[in-house]
Amino acid sequence: EVQLVETGGGFIQPGGSLRLSCAASGFSVSRKYMSWVRQTPGRGLEWVSMVYSSGTTYYTDSVKGRFTISRDNSNNVMYLQMNSLRDEDTAVYYCAKAAGEWTETGAFDIWGQGAMVIVSS
Amino acid sequence: DIQMTQFPSSVSASVGDRVTITCRASQGISWLAWYQQKPGKAPKLLIYGTSTLQSGVPSRFSGSGSGTDFTLTISSLQPEDFATYHCQQANSFPLTFGGGTKVEIK
Repeated sequence: EVQLVETGGGFIQPGGSLRLSCAASGFSVSRKYMSWVRQTPGRGLEWVSMVYSSGTTYYTDSVKGRFTISRDNSNNVMYLQMNSLRDEDTAVYYCAKAAGEWTETGAFDIWGQGAMVIVSS
Repeated sequence: DIQMTQFPSSVSASVGDRVTITCRASQGISWLAWYQQKPGKAPKLLIYGTSTLQSGVPSRFSGSGSGTDFTLTISSLQPEDFATYHCQQANSFPLTFGGGTKVEIK
C-alpha cells in the first residue's frame, strides 16, 4: 500500500528547532517529487517546500534560510528540518507525494496524516 | 506569487443539488488541481490538470476552466460530499491554494 506517515511534531518554544519525518511505503521517495504543506485555521493550506527527484529544492519565502527539506533514500524517508521557529509556524504539517509525473499533473495524490507543530512560549 | 481566490467560501446545499465552486487565479495558469478535505483528515485529490478525474473519484465530480477562471462541479451532491474543497495551482513556485469552500448541509 502506498502511504506516508509523519512523525516528529510537538510543542516548541520560539527560536527552537524541530525535525519532521515522513516515512514512505509502497514507493521510493527518491523517484518522486515530494512536498511539505502546512495548514492553519487562519491561513488555510500553505505550501512550504518541495524536493524533486533530482534533489533540487524549493521553499516558500517565509521559511527560506530556516527550513531544510531532505531525503534519506536508503530508509525511504523525507525530512523537514525547522530552525528558528516562530509563532506563525504553528500548523499541521503534511507531507505529500506528487501524482504521476509532476509536469503532467501538478498535484499531490498521497498525503500523510499530518503532524501538529505548536510554537509558543 | 499567484493568488488563488475561491468562492463562495461556504455553500449550503441539499442532497441531490448541483454545486459549483469557482477558483480564480491572479494571472493565467496552465492547469489546476482540486482537493476534498474532511475535518481532521488530509486533503484528498479529486481532479488534476483542470479536468482529469483522479482514479477512484466518482464521476459526479468534474472540473473545467482555463486561463484565470476554473470551476469544480458536483452534479448531484451526496451525503459523503459534505466537506471543504480546495484548489491549487502548480504553474509556478510558490505553489498556492485557494482559501477553501465549505459545503454544508442545508
